[in-house]
Amino acid sequence: AQSVSQHNHHVILSEAASLELGCNYSYGGTVNLFWYVQYPGQHLQLLLKYFSGDPLVKGIKGFEAEFIKSKFSFNLRKPSVQWSDTAEYFCAEGSQGNLIFGKGTKLSVKP
Amino acid sequence: DTEVTQTPKHLVMGMTNKKSLKCEQHMGHRAMYWYKQKAKKPPELMFVYSYEKLSINESVPSRFSPECPNSSLLNLHLHALQPEDSALYLCASSRNSGRVRGTGELFFGEGSRLTVL
Repeated sequence: AQSVSQHNHHVILSEAASLELGCNYSYGGTVNLFWYVQYPGQHLQLLLKYFSGDPLVKGIKGFEAEFIKSKFSFNLRKPSVQWSDTAEYFCAEGSQGNLIFGKGTKLSVKP
Repeated sequence: DTEVTQTPKHLVMGMTNKKSLKCEQHMGHRAMYWYKQKAKKPPELMFVYSYEKLSINESVPSRFSPECPNSSLLNLHLHALQPEDSALYLCASSRNSGRVRGTGELFFGEGSRLTVL
């Protein structure tokens, strides 16, 4: 069965710091991987997705993620965070007909 | 703004009430989903409809009853709920659903916040 792990529960950064949020998945076949963001009081929005091809995926708002098959990882990165990036970030995998989420990482960016 | 519309945004109900949550999308998507999200937790899948047929039920109690009247609408009928069912209920849709090609991107509504007294 699929599972998705996010090891960072809460990350606190200052503006302009670099960000990397970890995500590991368990499914060994062809994966569909996603990062979603949930800003306070808002709906879940897709940041980026990976189905196949270039393992370095660029998303919206300057975010990118790298798929490393050997490590079963899909970490999210951003070179320089802004206060407006404060939100909950969810990694998810959707190859089996549904979308399974990790527990989420809360990002707090201090101005 | 999201293209998946959920109503009502907020609902308060007693344990003996019967109410329904509604979800609508006009993107031509053929898969629709109900998720439950408790505070500070990830969304948990409840049901998946694919081409208007229930394809996944994640062992959800029968007090939650989904219905898909057509490819654009998804309802969640609620009856005899418990206070622990209070949560944000999220509807989502995707172009496809299946174990062959995966879900693709899910588009989420803003959710219906349910409080059971």
